[in-house]
Amino acid sequence: DVKVTQSSRYLVKRTGEKVFLECVQDMDHENMFWYRQDPGLGLRLIYFSYDVKMKEKGDIPEGYSVSREKKERFSLILESASTNQTSMYLCASSSPQLSSYEQYFGPGTRLTVT
Amino acid sequence: QQQVKQSPQSLIVQKGGISIINCAYENTAFDYFPWYQQFPGKGPALLIAIRPDVSEKKEGRFTISFNKSAKQFSLHIMDSQPGDSATYFCAASMEEYGNKLVFGAGTILRVKS
Repeated sequence: DVKVTQSSRYLVKRTGEKVFLECVQDMDHENMFWYRQDPGLGLRLIYFSYDVKMKEKGDIPEGYSVSREKKERFSLILESASTNQTSMYLCASSSPQLSSYEQYFGPGTRLTVT
Repeated sequence: QQQVKQSPQSLIVQKGGISIINCAYENTAFDYFPWYQQFPGKGPALLIAIRPDVSEKKEGRFTISFNKSAKQFSLHIMDSQPGDSATYFCAASMEEYGNKLVFGAGTILRVKS
């Protein structure tokens, strides 16, 4: 059974803190993604990575950075958390070998910044 | 041009009824149109997908209808059940876009028993 796991289901941080969100996939997928999900806005792509140490900005990268040191792990970093980064964060993975472009999602991390 | 517009935002349907969710896109280069289903506390999961060379795809009670000329596609859930209550996202992608997906805003479906 394919699996994408995220380090925390719920996280509460203070404004200005550095926040790390971790994602691990066990499917040997090349591609990994970070989204944020907000009501009425759907899923918006923050960053994605198509290989180890490779990354590309998505639609809303401001205030975020990422790290991919190993194929199975993709980290999202909030350098200085702000209240407008309170959101649900979803990690996903996929393989370019799949013609379906199917992405497999983790359960999400609900981050609250106070 | 990269947007996918989804409607309605929310939908309430009686058990046994038909749920219909619509999406529209602008970029004619899109060549893959999936629907994702998300239950509370879970990540989205692929439900059904279609490519523009067919006008309809059916899997069980779920059907995608695709209108290439109108640049629209829709999800129909026949005989809707309370277990179908979830958030549904349409999305689009294209080969040049790699594995990236552009998602609609989502529709919260509630099926009343």
